[in-house]
Amino acid sequence: NAGVTQTPKFRVLKTGQSMTLLCAQDMNHEYMYWYRQDPGMGLRLIHYSVGEGTTAKGEVPDGYNVSRLKKQNFLLGLESAAPSQTSVYFCATRQGNTEAFFGQGTRLTVV
Amino acid sequence: AQSVTQLDSHVSVSEGTPVLLRCNYSSSYSPSLFWYVQHPNKGLQLLLKYTSAATLVKGINGFEAEFKKSETSFHLTKPSAHMSDAAEYFCVVSDRAGGYQKVTFGTGTKLQVIP
Repeated sequence: NAGVTQTPKFRVLKTGQSMTLLCAQDMNHEYMYWYRQDPGMGLRLIHYSVGEGTTAKGEVPDGYNVSRLKKQNFLLGLESAAPSQTSVYFCATRQGNTEAFFGQGTRLTVV
Repeated sequence: AQSVTQLDSHVSVSEGTPVLLRCNYSSSYSPSLFWYVQHPNKGLQLLLKYTSAATLVKGINGFEAEFKKSETSFHLTKPSAHMSDAAEYFCVVSDRAGGYQKVTFGTGTKLQVIP
C-alpha cells in the first residue's frame, strides 16, 4: 500500500521547457490536490479535482494545467516553465472531511 | 470566507520547556481543523485533527490542540519540547465552502528547540 506517490522527486528544467508531474494514489479517494510550497508562504493550491474527469482552479493556477482521466491519477503540467515556477510541489488526496494524505514532494528548479 | 492565520512565523524554546504554536481561523461553515508537521526536506505528516467531536484533541508525539469556537482558535501545545520536535508546523482549515471540501493552509511556524 503505497498511499500517495509522486514522480519525479527532483527535476531541473530550462526556461520554456515543458514537463508533467504525476500523482498516483491507491486509497480510492475522490479529492486530489496539487500544491506548491514556497518559503514563508505555506502551501498554495494550484488546481484540484473532486472526482474522475473533473478539475478546477485553485489559488495560483496560472502557468499550470491538470488532468484526471483516471480516478487514481492526477497530472500537473507545465507547458512553458518559468523561473517563478521553481518550487516544491505536493500532491494530496482526501475523502470527505478527513485528513489529507500527502506525497513526498517534487523539487523543481527552472533555470 | 475561509482563512487561517498562524500568529508566529518562528518560535524558539528550550528543550524540556512547553511549546505553544498559535493558530486562528475563519470559516463560514463548521470547519475541520488539522495540524501537520514537516521536517526538513520531508513531506507533511498529520499531527492531529478536529472534526466536530471532542474539542481537546490529542495527537502523536505528545502534541495536543484545543478547538475554541468563541475565540476561533486551534492552538497547538506540548508540555515538554524534545529536540526531534524541531520542524515546521502548519495549521489547516477545511470546510465545504463553495460546495466542495476547500482546504487552506497557514503560512507555517518554524519551531526551533535549543539544547
